[in-house]
Amino acid sequence: SQQGEEDPQALSIQEGENATMNCSYKTSINNLQWYRQNSGRGLVHLILIRSNEREKHSGRLRVTLDTSKKSSSLLITASRAADTASYFCATDATGSNYQLIWGAGTKLIIKP
Amino acid sequence: NAGVTQTPKFQVLKTGQSMTLQCAQDMNHEYMSWYRQDPGMGLRLIHYSVGAGITDQGEVPNGYNVSRSTTEDFPLRLLSAAPSQTSVYFCASSYTLSRAGGTYEQYFGPGTRLTVT
Repeated sequence: SQQGEEDPQALSIQEGENATMNCSYKTSINNLQWYRQNSGRGLVHLILIRSNEREKHSGRLRVTLDTSKKSSSLLITASRAADTASYFCATDATGSNYQLIWGAGTKLIIKP
Repeated sequence: NAGVTQTPKFQVLKTGQSMTLQCAQDMNHEYMSWYRQDPGMGLRLIHYSVGAGITDQGEVPNGYNVSRSTTEDFPLRLLSAAPSQTSVYFCASSYTLSRAGGTYEQYFGPGTRLTVT
């Protein structure tokens, strides 16, 4: 079962533009996490946002969380070629007993 | 500090063979987990452990066994390989969990690409 669903499935933009990815989920959560995966590599943690937080920033990354709509967005500003990767959201659902549920990811391509 | 290491990187098995995927971490993390990643899908949790001697099933545990005899190691055993187990397997670990706050950030290994013919 997939808790998180990312949208869009794929996104191609020019270098320097902003990229926005969305994640929707189905149940109440403790937190939501975003990860990046470069092709053929393991996942790298980007940001964790807790259910009582609405927005977090890390460098060029901005994550928002709307628990009333059960959705989150990841904004990457001033994109670079190195941002080309797949991005995944993972939710820690309330009562899930330590199990993160992952979406299928958004494949982001930054064109030089 | 090597982080999370996985061996082997690649493996080809014949149907019915068994093998063990190794995972180790040197960060003294209590939580460790195994995922599989199939094309076009997110990660699916196979098994996880919240400490030495404690393991539990995830979303897709059938055909896999785990044990956790030490904090550092969390091997995944395929009992009788099937073509449906062709996938990329990731091991992850994280700091002690807080029930009030949920999970912490996961640290991932580089993955094992397994093909079953």
